[in-house]
Amino acid sequence: QVQLLQSGTEVKRPGASVRVSCKTSGYTFINFGLNWVRQAPEQGLEWVGWISPYTGDTDYAQSVQGRVTLTTDTATSTAYMDLRSLRSDDTALYYCARTNGNDHAFDVWGQGTMVTVSS
Amino acid sequence: DIQMTQSPSSLSAFVGDRVTITCRASQRISNYLNWYQQKPGRAPTLLIYRASRLHSGVASRFSGSGSGTHFTLTISSLQPEDFATYYCHQSYTTPRTFGQGTKVEI
Repeated sequence: QVQLLQSGTEVKRPGASVRVSCKTSGYTFINFGLNWVRQAPEQGLEWVGWISPYTGDTDYAQSVQGRVTLTTDTATSTAYMDLRSLRSDDTALYYCARTNGNDHAFDVWGQGTMVTVSS
Repeated sequence: DIQMTQSPSSLSAFVGDRVTITCRASQRISNYLNWYQQKPGRAPTLLIYRASRLHSGVASRFSGSGSGTHFTLTISSLQPEDFATYYCHQSYTTPRTFGQGTKVEI
C-alpha cells in the first residue's frame, strides 16, 4: 500500500536549520507531486510548498519563501524539506502529503514530524 | 491568496444526527474543493475531492456539494468515530489554502 514515512522529532535553536525527510513506497514516485503542510500547536493547517519529483519544479508559500527548499531523491523515492533561519513561529507538526494527480487533493499523508524551535 | 471560511467553527451533535458544515471561498474556485477529517494526534485524511467525489474507502454517509464559492460537507448520520475536526481546502490555485477547521464534538 501507499505509505509516506517521515523522519523523527527535531528540536532546534532559533536561527538554525532543519531537514525533514519523507520516504515514500507503494507507488511510482515520479508520477505524483508532493506537498508539505504544517500545523502549529492547536492551530489549523498551513500549506508550505509543493514539488514535482518528475520535473523538480517547486512552489512555496510566501511565509517561508527564501528560507525553504524542497528536493527529492528519485533513487530512494524520498522527499526532503530544508527550512533555514528557524524562528519560534516555525514550531509545528510538518506533514508531507501526496497530490492525487490533476485533482490536486492530498490523498495520502505522512505521519508528521514535530519541529520545535526554542532557545 | 484565496481565503477559505468555514462555519461553524465548532458544533455539538449526537450520534445519528445529520451534520452540515459550510465552506466559502473568497473567489471562485470551480469545484477544486476538498474535505479532510483530522482526529487528535493523527494526520488528516481525505474524505471528498473535487467538491463531491468520495475518496476511496470513505463511508457513504459523507457527501459533498457545491461549486464556485459555496460548498458543503454533510454527514448523513453521525457515528461515534466521526467526532473530529474537518477542514476544507482549495486546490484551484497556489498558494493552496485551508479553512480554519470545524470541530465536531458531543
